[in-house]
Amino acid sequence: KAGVTQTPRYLIKTRGQQVTLSCSPISGHRSVSWYQQTPGQGLQFLFEYFSETQRNKGNFPGRFSGRQFSNSRSEMNVSTLELGDSALYLCASSLEYQSGEAFFGQGTRLTVV
Amino acid sequence: GESVGLHLPTLSVQEGDNSIINCAYSNSASDYFIWYKQESGKGPQFIIDIRSNMDKRQGQRVTVLLNKTVKHLSLQIAATQPGDSAVYFCAEKTYNDDMRFGAGTRLTVKP
Repeated sequence: KAGVTQTPRYLIKTRGQQVTLSCSPISGHRSVSWYQQTPGQGLQFLFEYFSETQRNKGNFPGRFSGRQFSNSRSEMNVSTLELGDSALYLCASSLEYQSGEAFFGQGTRLTVV
Repeated sequence: GESVGLHLPTLSVQEGDNSIINCAYSNSASDYFIWYKQESGKGPQFIIDIRSNMDKRQGQRVTVLLNKTVKHLSLQIAATQPGDSAVYFCAEKTYNDDMRFGAGTRLTVKP
């Protein structure tokens, strides 16, 4: 069974631009969560999607948004990029909403210059 | 301004010794706890979990202990191997809430 797939693996963007990251969950998993990981703040929850609906949202500005498609694939978007958005963005999938065990992808390393 | 990085606790053990990694969690209402291992350049990898109605759970070479009285979680790794070198995170969760991660502990295994 394939694991969680995130694309792209690496990305370099300029301040002010926007970016879209993609996550394909494990087959059969219906819940997708997104996290931001930085050396300064550690792992921070962004949002969780289940059945194409955002169920939980972390404490991030509205520039961070996401969506989930009917096949459970998810995308997150960051608009008007700032230098501080440079981070590893991780996606995790779970079988069901709030089901507990979450499997992480390898992440997308975003660098904003 | 100057960014302040998280100070990761570190644990250095000799190959073959047992390792104990500790974690203090914050929410007394948390009812589900998970340990993750993250190797350099990779996403966190699930190791073991425990629900709040248990105080101990064992896996292959790993044991998680939960002390709800003092909100403390520990991960014991038996016969630590060089491949166990990584950053270990504990995470806590309540139903209908997001998963919150600790800062992590860096485990280094000396051959």
